[in-house]
Amino acid sequence: AQSVTQLGSHVSVSEGALVLLRCNYSSSVPPYLFWYVQYPNQGLQLLLKYTTGATLVKGINGFEAEFKKSETSFHLTKPSAHMSDAAEYFCAVSDQPYKLSFGAGTTVTVRA
Amino acid sequence: GAVVSQHPSWVICKSGTSVKIECRSLDFQATTMFWYRQFPKQSLMLMATSNEGSKATYEQGVEKDKFLINHASLTLSTLTVTSAHPEDSSFYICSARDAEGLAGSQETQYFGPGTRLLVL
Repeated sequence: AQSVTQLGSHVSVSEGALVLLRCNYSSSVPPYLFWYVQYPNQGLQLLLKYTTGATLVKGINGFEAEFKKSETSFHLTKPSAHMSDAAEYFCAVSDQPYKLSFGAGTTVTVRA
Repeated sequence: GAVVSQHPSWVICKSGTSVKIECRSLDFQATTMFWYRQFPKQSLMLMATSNEGSKATYEQGVEKDKFLINHASLTLSTLTVTSAHPEDSSFYICSARDAEGLAGSQETQYFGPGTRLLVL
């Protein structure tokens, strides 16, 4: 069984400030981990993923995430927020046969 | 690469009618597609896994006679909401897995833009 917990349903940051979105997971097998972003009335766009190898993963739009097995975490960060980062962010975990379990989502608002 | 489309993007129908939503993988073959439902301000709920050439696998609590899934080709899966009622109004999103990794990566689900259904 696998599950995902996203701490904080809403994060508000100032433009130019650090964005930190927290994600913890539980999985009975080594997981694949994903972060997706969803803009209003749109589908999900893949930001980044961890499958194997390097634990620090870089994605699109300046986002990165670090897989920490000991902490069962996969937190998402971006050093400097931009107004266009305002969206809903979902952390997801997958094991065989590639079924995704999503966290509840975190809404990011960016203040000018 | 790895583009998934959905049609229609918006649909409004009367209660009691059936609505068909199409999900297509445009640049890869998808032996497996997934159908999700998303309520406002909530996460995605997996409804069913659609397998090309075989019956779909439904998640617990999802009525298979209500939500008919057909995956007749390697690039097309359809979801039909039968005898729709207002409580079926939702945002339906499909995703597809590029099993051969030709357009994307094998481990990743690629999502369509979603279909918003409103049942009056």
